[in-house]
Amino acid sequence: AQSVTQLDSHVSVSEGTPVLLRCNYSSSYSPSLFWYVQHPNKGLQLLLKYTSAATLVKGINGFEAEFKKSETSFHLTKPSAHMSDAAEYFCVVSEPIYGGSQGNLIFGKGTKLSVKP
Amino acid sequence: DTAVSQTPKYLVTQMGNDKSIKCEQNLGHDTMYWYKQDSKKFLKIMFSYNNKELIINETVPNRFSPKSPDKAHLNLHINSLELGDSAVYFCASSQRVGVSSGNTIYFGEGSWLTVV
Repeated sequence: AQSVTQLDSHVSVSEGTPVLLRCNYSSSYSPSLFWYVQHPNKGLQLLLKYTSAATLVKGINGFEAEFKKSETSFHLTKPSAHMSDAAEYFCVVSEPIYGGSQGNLIFGKGTKLSVKP
Repeated sequence: DTAVSQTPKYLVTQMGNDKSIKCEQNLGHDTMYWYKQDSKKFLKIMFSYNNKELIINETVPNRFSPKSPDKAHLNLHINSLELGDSAVYFCASSQRVGVSSGNTIYFGEGSWLTVV
């Protein structure tokens, strides 16, 4: 079964410093991986996705993530945090379309990013 | 234009009531979903429809019944509401079933349901 583990429930950084949100996945096949962001009282917005193309994926708002198969990781990074980056971030893996599954998304438990002035 | 829109955004209701949350997508997608986010922010799929046909029905009480009158709409009806139903419900859509390089799931802004 597919799963994701977000290693930190809360990350706090100062504005202008780098952001690192960690995610490890478990999958018995080549996965598709995503990062979604949820701002307070807002819906989910896709930041970036990996679907077996380039291992370094660039997303919106300066975020990027690197797929590392050997480490089963898909960590999200940003060189310089901005106050507007404060939100909840979800690492997501997709189920395959076979064996009764329908490509459903499996969400991690989320990492809350706080940005201090 | 909002791609996936759901109404109402906030709903406070008493136990035992029946309520509905509506969802519409204007992206021309074939597949629509309902996800539930609990108080700990954990998100899990409830239902998935493809071309108005139910394809995913996770372990959800029978009190929850999705209805898809056409491909652009997937409404969620909840009967005999219970305190534990309080959550944020997200509607979503994608071009087709499953995830691939060309298929992304787009989420609505969520409906905050509070049962008192």
